[in-house]
Amino acid sequence: GENVEQHPSTLSVQEGDSAVIKCTYSDSASNYFPWYKQELGKGPQLIIDIRSNVGEKKDQRIAVTLNKTAKHFSLHITETQPEDSAVYFCAAIPANQAGTALIFGKGTTLSVSS
Amino acid sequence: GAGVSQSPSNKVTEKGKDVELRCDPISGHTALYWYRQSLGQGLEFLIYFQGNSAPDKSGLPSDRFSAERTGGSVSTLTIQRTQQEDSAVYLCASSLPPGQGAEQYFGPGTRLTVT
Repeated sequence: GENVEQHPSTLSVQEGDSAVIKCTYSDSASNYFPWYKQELGKGPQLIIDIRSNVGEKKDQRIAVTLNKTAKHFSLHITETQPEDSAVYFCAAIPANQAGTALIFGKGTTLSVSS
Repeated sequence: GAGVSQSPSNKVTEKGKDVELRCDPISGHTALYWYRQSLGQGLEFLIYFQGNSAPDKSGLPSDRFSAERTGGSVSTLTIQRTQQEDSAVYLCASSLPPGQGAEQYFGPGTRLTVT
């Protein structure tokens, strides 16, 4: 089945710097890759997603890139702010399962210091 | 509009007791998912409902876990004879039907502690 690996597990940056989180997936048939932000005590919040027919997507300070050949995708956050501090999860939906359950990476704890 | 809601937000129970966790999906979302988030772990899929189809139970860790979805809306996750390893945050998510949108929206979760 699908397996999603996420790196790094922790990331500390200074306010204003960029942050990059990388994920790899194993199932070449996977076709949807969302990113979630989870703040303490809250449920995961969808922040951006990308489908397999697109190589890059941007939304203000965040962007996601997808390399289908290498089976990896990355989250880029520019001009980081303290409120970006949270746990970020990547996920993939395998295309060959009956349901559409997400397979998640283990998360990256991002700390932005001012 | 209203998001996914879950109740209770916190539940403390003694080992061996049964618990019920509730999820109200976003109105119009026919797909509903339960996930479990254990300390230091990612999110683990438990069960998936889509409309009136038979649920995908492939993620349930044991036969002590079951879930129902009545009327195509509210869902209840039941854990019988709880064990300490069941302690986790149980998250519910909902989405539009397949083909209409893959985005899954999560509720705030229920933190279950088994003592």
